[in-house]
Amino acid sequence: KQEVTQIPAALSVPEGENLVLNCSFTDSAIYNLQWFRQDPGKGLTSLLLIQSSQREQTSGRLNASLDKSSGRSTLYIAASQPGDSATYLCAVNSGNTPLVFGKGTRLSVIA
Amino acid sequence: EAEVAQSPRYKITEKSQAVAFWCDPISGHATLYWYRQILGQGPELLVQFQDESVVDDSQLPKDRFSAERLKGVDSTLKIQPAELGDSAMYLCASSFGLGEAFFGQGTRLTVV
Repeated sequence: KQEVTQIPAALSVPEGENLVLNCSFTDSAIYNLQWFRQDPGKGLTSLLLIQSSQREQTSGRLNASLDKSSGRSTLYIAASQPGDSATYLCAVNSGNTPLVFGKGTRLSVIA
Repeated sequence: EAEVAQSPRYKITEKSQAVAFWCDPISGHATLYWYRQILGQGPELLVQFQDESVVDDSQLPKDRFSAERLKGVDSTLKIQPAELGDSAMYLCASSFGLGEAFFGQGTRLTVV
């Protein structure tokens, strides 16, 4: 059974810092991995999708990497802004099973 | 921009009453998911549809929950009777096959 873990559970940084969020999964036989953002009381917004054959994806100040063999992914946020404050969720798609989520990392960027 | 539509956004219901949520996926997305998210936790799958067929409902509490997608387009999730422990965010998502999943804004259910 696929299990997804996100570390840290919460993170507080001053504005302008670069930061890394971590995601690990137990079964490396994945089809793709997706990073989401969730604002309080809202739904999930897809940030980046990495296919199993890819090593990284970039969108603006966000860069996600994937090391399938070690069961790890990282989300790098450059030059953080207060508007980046949200919960970031990692989810793994193993092909024949639906998305399995971690519990998320709650990020606070302090102005 | 195409998006997943959910209604209502918020629902307050009394214990033992029936409640229903509606989801309209992105046009052309054959795969539809219903997830439940308890505050502070990640979403957990309730049911997955491929067109009108249920692919996975192993985590759906079938004694009180039901889900349907009659024409393979929009979907309804029902709870009857609601219990206090059902208070949560109910999220609908859709995808084209195993591709990127897109989520709606969710329905926040409070059972009193």
